[in-house]
Order: sequence, then C-alpha cells, then structure tokens
Amino acid sequence: GQQVMQIPQYQHVQEGEDFTTYCNSSTTLSNIQWYKQRPGGHPVFLIQLVKSGEVKKQKRLTFQFGEAKKNSSLHITATQTTDVGTYFCAVPSNAGGTSYGKLTFGQGTILTVHP
Amino acid sequence: NAGVTQTPKFQVLKTGQSMTLQCAQDMNHNSMYWYRQDPGMGLRLIYYSASEGTTDKGEVPNGYNVSRLNKREFSLRLESAAPSQTSVYFCASSGYQPQHFGDGTRLSIL
Repeated sequence: GQQVMQIPQYQHVQEGEDFTTYCNSSTTLSNIQWYKQRPGGHPVFLIQLVKSGEVKKQKRLTFQFGEAKKNSSLHITATQTTDVGTYFCAVPSNAGGTSYGKLTFGQGTILTVHP
Repeated sequence: NAGVTQTPKFQVLKTGQSMTLQCAQDMNHNSMYWYRQDPGMGLRLIYYSASEGTTDKGEVPNGYNVSRLNKREFSLRLESAAPSQTSVYFCASSGYQPQHFGDGTRLSIL
C-alpha cells in the first residue's frame, strides 16, 4: 500500500512566526489531501490538491503540490493561537486511487503556538 | 444535520471484555471507515466498507470485527479487549467528497 512520510513530528513556534509541514511519497500521487485536528477534536478536511505544481491558499494557509506529485507542503504565515493542532496529509491508499476512497494518513505534525 | 455520530464517547473496559463501538452517518455516503489514533502514529485504518454489504481489512485489523448494518451504520467490535487496543477510535464516511469524521471514542482497557 501507499506510504507517506510527514515532517516534522512536532513544531513549537511563537505567535506570529511562520510554520511549514511537509509530506513526501516515494511514488507519484494522484492527489493529496490535508486535514487539521484541534486538540481533543476530530480531523477536519482542509483542502485537496490534484495538479502538478498546484498552489492553493486559504487566508494565511498556503498549500503546494510538488511538480513531480511526490511531495506537498502546508505553510502557515504569521501563526495565531487558533492554529494550534495536528496537521495531517492523506493520500489514496492504492496507487492511482481516487480522492474519495481509502486514504493513508501521514503521522501528522503537532503545532504548538506560544502567545 | 449531525454528520457522523459515534457512541459511546468514552469507555473503560477490563482485559478480555467485549464491546461494540457504534457509528452512524446521515449524509447518504457509500463508504465508511474505522481508524484508531495513537500518539505519534497518526490515523491507522482498521476496517472500511466501500458500500453497503461489503467490508475489507485495513492496515491494523487484528482483534477487531466490523458490521455494515445498512448504508447509515457501521459498527466496530472488540471480541476480547487487550491493553494494546487502548486508543482513540474514529469513524469516518465519504461519498464523492473528502472524509467526514465523528467525534471519536476514547477507549481505555485495563
């Protein structure tokens, strides 16, 4: 099955600093999704990337899909305390799988923001 | 509009006891999933059901069984609980859209 590595595992930042988490795959991906889980909560879908080199923005969040479709990043500009949580990438479990079937999740990056 | 509902929210069991975790979705989704979440391990798929009447093993199925009772409901059963099954369990569903998760069941096995 598909595997994806996510780094770093933990990130501590001061409020206002930037934050980036990365996902890497050894195989070409058809798409990648990003989820956020607040402390004590459940994962919530943020965005899906499909195209090579795609960049999408949601306010202070910037998501990028690599040109080779083997890696992706999530960048948060000027973090706020509301950004605290765990950020997961997720990829189709089967090579060439659709966005809406079985997913393999990265280990997640736990973001702590110090006010 | 409840989305994905899981019961119970918390449970403590003794080793060897059995229990069933319940999950129901009201979004008319075909696919449903059970995950466990352990510190540093992310979300690992236990079982999934691509459609009503079908189930299949995920990454960590040992010690678990599932039933897709109908399109709405997908239950997870622990026949003989072990301390290694202490975890947070999430149910999720999806149709032609990303997965929607329930609030989770926090299960401790002593």
